[in-house]
Amino acid sequence: KAGVTQTPRYLIKTRGQQVTLSCSPISGHRSVSWYQQTPGQGLQFLFEYFSETQRNKGNFPGRFSGRQFSNSRSEMNVSTLELGDSALYLCASSVDRARGYTFGSGTRLTVV
Amino acid sequence: AQSVTQLDSHVSVSEGTPVLLRCNYSSSYSPSLFWYVQHPNKGLQLLLKYTSAATLVKGINGFEAEFKKSETSFHLTKPSAHMSDAAEYFCVVTLYSSASKIIFGSGTRLSIRP
Repeated sequence: KAGVTQTPRYLIKTRGQQVTLSCSPISGHRSVSWYQQTPGQGLQFLFEYFSETQRNKGNFPGRFSGRQFSNSRSEMNVSTLELGDSALYLCASSVDRARGYTFGSGTRLTVV
Repeated sequence: AQSVTQLDSHVSVSEGTPVLLRCNYSSSYSPSLFWYVQHPNKGLQLLLKYTSAATLVKGINGFEAEFKKSETSFHLTKPSAHMSDAAEYFCVVTLYSSASKIIFGSGTRLSIRP
């Protein structure tokens, strides 16, 4: 079966712009979570959605937001981009947290 | 406070020798523990998980981990390293409470010498 699909794979944006990243989970997975990975901070949890509701949120500013649609697909939005937002953004889906998460290949965002 | 500590940022072993990647956690709740592997420019792949069943957990690619509650450890091992094992490994804890948290270790980079 298809894995977690993230689009686009690569993105270059200018400071001050906004960006939307997309994640399509594995069919049947209702939980989608987002992570930011940088060399300096490592992997950090952004937020988790379940059945269109944000279930948990990490320690990120309000410029980072997300949503989940009725088909479980999720989008993440970052407004007023800063250079420090350059990172690999990973999405993961799960049918049950205890079983672990399946990760997508990520979207590499570069802010210039 | 809950935390995950990967004790080595970099481990280098020779091909064919055993691998040990160490992980300790701190939690007030019964955690679920995972090991993930990340190859360059790829997402994370689940190696194995502990969810309060058997304390010795077998995963993919010959990896296994033992949950030791008394030592709050969940070390990852493999009897014989292969060149394809070279990657970054993350120990992850999921804590279930009123506000569930997912905590990643800082990662251990595994290098394999020919």
